[in-house]
Amino acid sequence: GAVVSQHPSWVICKSGTSVKIECRSLDFQATTMFWYRQFPKQSLMLMATSNEGSKATYEQGVEKDKFLINHASLTLSTLTVTSAHPEDSSFYICSARGGLTGDASPLHFGNGTRLTVT
Amino acid sequence: GQNIDQPTEMTATEGAIVQINCTYQTSGFNGLFWYQQHAGEAPTFLSYNVLDGLEEKGRFSSFLSRSKGYSYLLLKELQMKDSASYLCAIMDSNYQLIWGAGTKLIIKP
Repeated sequence: GAVVSQHPSWVICKSGTSVKIECRSLDFQATTMFWYRQFPKQSLMLMATSNEGSKATYEQGVEKDKFLINHASLTLSTLTVTSAHPEDSSFYICSARGGLTGDASPLHFGNGTRLTVT
Repeated sequence: GQNIDQPTEMTATEGAIVQINCTYQTSGFNGLFWYQQHAGEAPTFLSYNVLDGLEEKGRFSSFLSRSKGYSYLLLKELQMKDSASYLCAIMDSNYQLIWGAGTKLIIKP
């Protein structure tokens, strides 16, 4: 089945530093990748949608200058949390969908990254 | 507006059957997904319904009625490992996923 690899699994960083999270589709080409954030005991919240080769589309309330998304190839998207603060501590999950835009194929999720900002 | 409702929490007994309901009102419909999420882990795909009716996959079945804006996930022969959150998600007319808040399922021996 389709595999999405997310790295790192967990990271602890100091306030003010930046953290990069990678999301790779290992055995399919991901035309669209999604980044989610999930706080404890809450549902997934979509942060942004990225299509290969174009700028990401951010959801309302998500700061594009703080959460930098790059989707430079069909198998790799990165999320960089810049100048992280303790309130950015959360579980970040990427997902990928192959095929053409509009394809109602299921999402394949990475294992998530638990970010703790001290 | 867009709205997806599912119960916050359910409890069931090992070996029994449980039905988790999901009702929705969305702008357009391109399918309904059920995902399972264990605590601290990413969601995993369970089922996809786009036409009315029942889709069976092993111990799990998912039903859809588009006219009623209603779906359920049926879990049979419950096992302790089925304790998890179950997320209902609708793909709207823009092929974007709208997520429900999830149902936490607690399985008791």
